[in-house]
Amino acid sequence: QKEVEQNSGPLSVPEGAIASLNCTYSDRGSQSFFWYRQYSGKSPELIMSIYSNGDKEDGRFTAQLNKASQYVSLLIRDSQPSDSATYLCAVPGTNSGYALNFGKGTSLLVTP
Amino acid sequence: EAQVTQNPRYLITVTGKKLTVTCSQNMNHEYMSWYRQDPGLGLRQIYYSMNVEVTDKGDVPEGYKVSRKEKRNFPLILESPSPNQTSLYFCASSPDPLSYNEQFFGPGTRLTVL
Repeated sequence: QKEVEQNSGPLSVPEGAIASLNCTYSDRGSQSFFWYRQYSGKSPELIMSIYSNGDKEDGRFTAQLNKASQYVSLLIRDSQPSDSATYLCAVPGTNSGYALNFGKGTSLLVTP
Repeated sequence: EAQVTQNPRYLITVTGKKLTVTCSQNMNHEYMSWYRQDPGLGLRQIYYSMNVEVTDKGDVPEGYKVSRKEKRNFPLILESPSPNQTSLYFCASSPDPLSYNEQFFGPGTRLTVL
């Protein structure tokens, strides 16, 4: 069973705070993990990818991966109102060719 | 400009009337895919294509058809649309099968089937 789980939120954080978004996955064979951002009414856009255990930083974004515990997280430092969006975790399915499985997304609201 | 385009962007139709949603990319990408997005269900993959003439089912292929006769185009065909196919549809492409995850999405097509 392919499952990617996220808390739907909404997650509300004040401007300037750290937003922490979490994702768990069921397929232990998964090797790559992705975070997409989707603004309301718009298409998803890739913001982070991570392949190895540990942290990967890109500007204000940090992705964290723990394969033993089967979770991946996204930290957004110095959150801005423009970060308000839905964040989608995506994990390739290992048993179905090249299908990409998305979580249902976490809605983030950054309040001024 | 590198992009994925979809047409139409909005469509209201009636049950049983065949329709096609076009998808085109100008980035010479090998991998293309169709998703539908529904409230509470998230993004679900309908079909994907690894290259010309190579297509495969995703998680929710029932009621849909696709074809990949040219590298740039990947149309989604609904032979006999039903109300449960009312959804927001996204086409996506990726440079090659090994990097299929880093997908570029089109702007979306909002379909309503009455």
